[in-house]
Amino acid sequence: DVKVTQSSRYLVKRTGEKVFLECVQDMDHENMFWYRQDPGLGLRLIYFSYDVKMKEKGDIPEGYSVSREKKERFSLILESASTNQTSMYLCASSSTGIQFFGPGTRLTVL
Amino acid sequence: AQSVAQPEDQVNVAEGNPLTVKCTYSVSGNPYLFWYVQYPNRGLQFLLKYITGDNLVKGSYGFEAEFNKSQTSFHLKKPSALVSDSALYFCAVRDARYSSASKIIFGSGTRLSIRP
Repeated sequence: DVKVTQSSRYLVKRTGEKVFLECVQDMDHENMFWYRQDPGLGLRLIYFSYDVKMKEKGDIPEGYSVSREKKERFSLILESASTNQTSMYLCASSSTGIQFFGPGTRLTVL
Repeated sequence: AQSVAQPEDQVNVAEGNPLTVKCTYSVSGNPYLFWYVQYPNRGLQFLLKYITGDNLVKGSYGFEAEFNKSQTSFHLKKPSALVSDSALYFCAVRDARYSSASKIIFGSGTRLSIRP
């Protein structure tokens, strides 16, 4: 089975902190994605990557950056966390179109 | 532009009754369509997909979905609901012209509640 893991299930940070969310997949997938999930808004794509060191902006990239130095790892970075970035963050990977998701990180920014 | 609409925020069904969760989509080319389910405090799990071929697609846990091109719909169905089906369901679409590396668009989600 495909396994996508995220470094933390719950995270609490303060406004202005730099935050790193890590995602690792074990199925050699080329494509990886970061979403945020908010009630009533569904999943919104922040960034995605189709190869090592490659990245593409999604629909809401502002305030975020990403890093993909190795194929299995895709990191989401909040350069200076703000309260409106409090959300559930989901990572996914795919190769054939079906996306496999991690369990999510619930981030609270105080 | 691609878009997905799930017109119902919540669907309530009695256990044993059939259920339908609605989804309509808009893409310029042919659609690839997906349903995902999210159980409480867990990530999304893939349920089923439509790529091409038979309009009725069967997936996990007894779910199926019917692709209707003329109505641009892809409704999720199950003949007999179980309490354990209670979860949040997401419909998603991708334009078939683009590679699997491109993004898919998710709907806003429908919360399915099955009462005993």
